[in-house]
Amino acid sequence: GAGVSQTPSNKVTEKGKYVELRCDPISGHTALYWYRQSLGQGPEFLIYFQGTGAADDSGLPNDRFFAVRPEGSVSTLKIQRTERGDSAVYLCASSSTRGSYNEQFFGPGTRLTVL
Amino acid sequence: DQQVKQNSPSLSVQEGRISILNCDYTNSMFDYFLWYKKYPAEGPTFLISISSIKDKNEDGRFTVFLNKSAKHLSLHIVPSQPGDSAVYFCAASIPSNTGKLIFGQGTTLQVKP
Repeated sequence: GAGVSQTPSNKVTEKGKYVELRCDPISGHTALYWYRQSLGQGPEFLIYFQGTGAADDSGLPNDRFFAVRPEGSVSTLKIQRTERGDSAVYLCASSSTRGSYNEQFFGPGTRLTVL
Repeated sequence: DQQVKQNSPSLSVQEGRISILNCDYTNSMFDYFLWYKKYPAEGPTFLISISSIKDKNEDGRFTVFLNKSAKHLSLHIVPSQPGDSAVYFCAASIPSNTGKLIFGQGTTLQVKP
């Protein structure tokens, strides 16, 4: 079956520009996560959606970052006024169970490069 | 503050031998630990997990050991195969309504034929 997909796979932008990264979770998965992986590091939690609502956005680094999931399936991570330090691989994951332990299925990621 | 640490950035093992990947953590509230495997240009894939109430979980060639007193867990792969060459991430979960995972920095395993 189809896994988690993310588009684009690569995004190069200039400092100060706005970008949107898309995530299509596994069909029927109610939980959706965004993580950011910098070079040489493990994935770092950004935000968690349960259905349409952002249940935990404590990992968003600042107010330039925002994410939506208007219909409870596809999610978009939005970054305003990009900075060079935003360069990383942005990973999306989905899960069928609510809270506590859950196996998260990851997409291939979007590699964002801010010049 | 790195709550989950993988202190060995890389490990090289001969095919057929045992691979042991280590992970240390600082937060005693973690209730689940997971290992993920990642190939280049792919997302991490779930490998094996262990609840904090257990000290061992086995799945085929993969076994995870948890030592709560030492706040240490390890992943054993026996026998190692060249296809096991990848980056391995240790992750931990805190009891909450979110299920968010805290990851270590990863260990690159190379299994030589």
